[in-house]
Amino acid sequence: GAVVSQHPSWVICKSGTSVKIECRSLDFQATTMFWYRQFPKQSLMLMATSNEGSKATYEQGVEKDKFLINHASLTLSTLTVTSAHPEDSSFYICSARDPSGGYEQYFGPGTRLTVT
Amino acid sequence: GESVGLHLPTLSVQEGDNSIINCAYSNSASDYFIWYKQESGKGPQFIIDIRSNMDKRQGQRVTVLLNKTVKHLSLQIAATQPGDSAVYFCAEKYTGNQFYFGTGTSLTVIP
Repeated sequence: GAVVSQHPSWVICKSGTSVKIECRSLDFQATTMFWYRQFPKQSLMLMATSNEGSKATYEQGVEKDKFLINHASLTLSTLTVTSAHPEDSSFYICSARDPSGGYEQYFGPGTRLTVT
Repeated sequence: GESVGLHLPTLSVQEGDNSIINCAYSNSASDYFIWYKQESGKGPQFIIDIRSNMDKRQGQRVTVLLNKTVKHLSLQIAATQPGDSAVYFCAEKYTGNQFYFGTGTSLTVIP
């Protein structure tokens, strides 16, 4: 089956610094990837749609200058949390859609971000 | 718009019993739905999907029912096992390829 990886799996950073999270599709090419955020005991909230070779589409209320998304290749999307603050601490999950596989999205294992 | 996360409702069942997990989705234009299972600290795993032109779909030990009149989905798990303990989310698609997740239900199976 389709596999999506994320790196790192967890990261601790100091307030004010930036953190980059990578999402890779390992055995398929993904023209579209998605980034979600999940707070403890809550649902996944879609942050943005990452489109290969073009600008990301952000959901309402998500700051595009704070959450920078780059989808430079068909197998890699990155999310950079800029000037992170403690309230950005969360579980960040990416997913990728295999264009040959219908609408199903394959999820990565998530990245736990803690901002101190 | 997308569902807003709330604190998860919980469901406890005895091992071997059937489980029914419910989900109210938000958009009457949604045309495709997926149930996902999420274990602690992991990403969601696909369980079963259903298109809006269907009202029932069966998989191995799982059945999804769709009632478009009241915008309701349910996931039935037969003979629930301890390994089924997890959080279950429904997700709906109504624009492009984006999916929006429901609140989720935490299922605990009692041995």
